[in-house]
Formats: sequence, structure tokens, C-alpha cells
Amino acid sequence: QSVLTQPRSVSGSPGQSVTISCTGTSSDIGGYDYVSWYQHHPGKAPKFILYDVNKRPSGVPDRFSGSKSANTASLTISGLQAEDEADYYCCSFADTSAGTYMLVFGGGTKLTVL
Amino acid sequence: DVQLVESGGGLVKPGGSLRLSCAASGFTFDYYTMNWVRQAPGKGLEWVASITSYGEYIYYADSVKGRFTIARDNAKNSVYLQMHSLQDEDTAVYSCARWPGSIGSGGMDVWGQGTTVIVSS
Repeated sequence: QSVLTQPRSVSGSPGQSVTISCTGTSSDIGGYDYVSWYQHHPGKAPKFILYDVNKRPSGVPDRFSGSKSANTASLTISGLQAEDEADYYCCSFADTSAGTYMLVFGGGTKLTVL
Repeated sequence: DVQLVESGGGLVKPGGSLRLSCAASGFTFDYYTMNWVRQAPGKGLEWVASITSYGEYIYYADSVKGRFTIARDNAKNSVYLQMHSLQDEDTAVYSCARWPGSIGSGGMDVWGQGTTVIVSS
């Protein structure tokens, strides 16, 4: 079972920008524009913040943006705020060697706002 | 209000079974693919299983295939996860989440708070 690769941690000061990468393979990120991102404050339900690589659900501020190049997707948070401190997970649609489909999450990145 | 509420978690011995339930309210249940996602202590999110609107497609993570079964009852606005042959590594908080339409485009836009499963002798 593949796990997408994310940095364990990133940090930034209020007002700065940070980028979190998410690296997979041609069977997941590289093969489909179906990457979603989730913000998770421990003890709370994850929050859906991006889908289809770079689309924002209603209510998510435009400080959150996404992109993809080859097998790597990225989440950029600009104008960092204290409340952005959380764990962030990428998720990709993927095909399997058995000819079916699955979802795969990244290992998660802890964002610290200094 | 749109809501997902999980139940059925608990302490179970290795090799045992457990059935989780997720009750949905506040939205048209059969418009959505339903998913189970788990988080083991100190670990990240792990997708477990998905079932499309009428159960026409079902997908499982390799780690649970053959041991777990996902099902839904649209009349009861509920999705279930039947778990057999539980192992220590199945210890986690299990959450259900909805996905508009079929998995692929989109994402899990509403999540429950989760129910805790502990596998221990």
C-alpha cells in the first residue's frame, strides 16, 4: 500500500507563506488531477480545504492554493495566521495493479506558526 | 445541520470482530460515496474503504481487504464497517466521511468525529 510522501514538518512566521509538498507516483498523483488536501487540528474532524489539485471548497480562504507537477502536488498557504497551525494531509485517487481504484493519503505535515 | 455520527467502537481482543456504524443526517445520503478513514495513535490518516451511492462499487485498502466489509443502508442513512480478524495494528480512531458523487474528482467534504477501536489482549 503506497503512502504519499510529505515533509514531517514545516514552519513559518505570521504573514509569511509556506509550501507543503506531496510526492507520489504515476499511479496516483502523476496519473490523475484528483488530489485533495485536509487540515486537521488534533481532536477535531479534518477539514476539506482543496480538491482536484487547485480548487477550493466554498468558505475556504484564497490564502490556500494548490498545484501539481508530474508526481508531486503542493499546498501553499500564504499570509500565515496562528489558526493555520495544524496537521495537513494530501490525498490522491489511485489505480492499482489489480485494475481497481483506491485512495491514498500522505503521511501528514505538521505546520508550526512561529 | 449536516452531520455524521459514528458508533460501535470499543475494546476487542486480537482475532475478534466489531461492527462500526455511521449515521448521516441533514443531506441526501444516496448522492454520496461514503468512506471510512482511520488514524492510529501517533500516526497519520489512512483510507480504509469506500462504497458508492448504491453500493455498485466498493474499494478497500490492501491492509484490510478480506477482513473488513463496508456496507450501506440508504433507507436508514447509514454506512457500516464490519471488521473481522482484528489485529493490534487496527487500533485507531475510525471516522466516516462523505464524498459527493463517485471517488475521483472532489474530496471528503464532511467528516464525523470518529469512534475508537482498541485491539488488545
